[in-house]
Amino acid sequence: GAVVSQHPSWVICKSGTSVKIECRSLDFQATTMFWYRQFPKQSLMLMATSNEGSKATYEQGVEKDKFLINHASLTLSTLTVTSAHPEDSSFYICSAFPLLLAREVTDTQYFGPGTRLTVL
Amino acid sequence: GENVEQHPSTLSVQEGDSAVIKCTYSDSASNYFPWYKQELGKRPQLIIDIRSNVGEKKDQRIAVTLNKTAKHFSLHITETQPEDSAVYFCAATGRGYKLSFGAGTTVTVRA
Repeated sequence: GAVVSQHPSWVICKSGTSVKIECRSLDFQATTMFWYRQFPKQSLMLMATSNEGSKATYEQGVEKDKFLINHASLTLSTLTVTSAHPEDSSFYICSAFPLLLAREVTDTQYFGPGTRLTVL
Repeated sequence: GENVEQHPSTLSVQEGDSAVIKCTYSDSASNYFPWYKQELGKRPQLIIDIRSNVGEKKDQRIAVTLNKTAKHFSLHITETQPEDSAVYFCAATGRGYKLSFGAGTTVTVRA
């Protein structure tokens, strides 16, 4: 259980175009999803927190108008990289935090397999 | 926000020896400390975690220790095997379940 998928797994686009990445929790509901970016040989950097039914919260230095996040349902969050440039080329990973029932306690997030974005 | 520092950045060990990775964190409110193993091009894989009300946790060859007073936590891998070669990340969670990751340690196990 607790499977998170991402689509596409890799994408190549031209500079100036927009790319949408989907993150889905397949067998659980997630009120909160996180989006991370990982450059080669570096750590995961949190970009934003996506909450179902409300606006995303962006980390300092992340442009909200460039990285559009939509969390329209309890199983789907999307990240759209608008007007992509070569410096946006990176590995984008989402994670999902499960909706907890009463008295349930967990700290575990479940990661998607990542999306490799290459901007030419 | 939370700041997690991780050392060493690279670690080479002989097969069968132990590997130790150390992390420190800055936010005293952090209460959950997971460790992840990541292979090239793959998602981070949770290998062990510890909550702030526990000092030590062990799962077969892997153990984690936590010193809340000093804000230190460490990963110990015993009897290392070639398949343990990967990048390992420590992380800390504070408010809002947001994970702050360390910079990573590249572990190489020499056969």
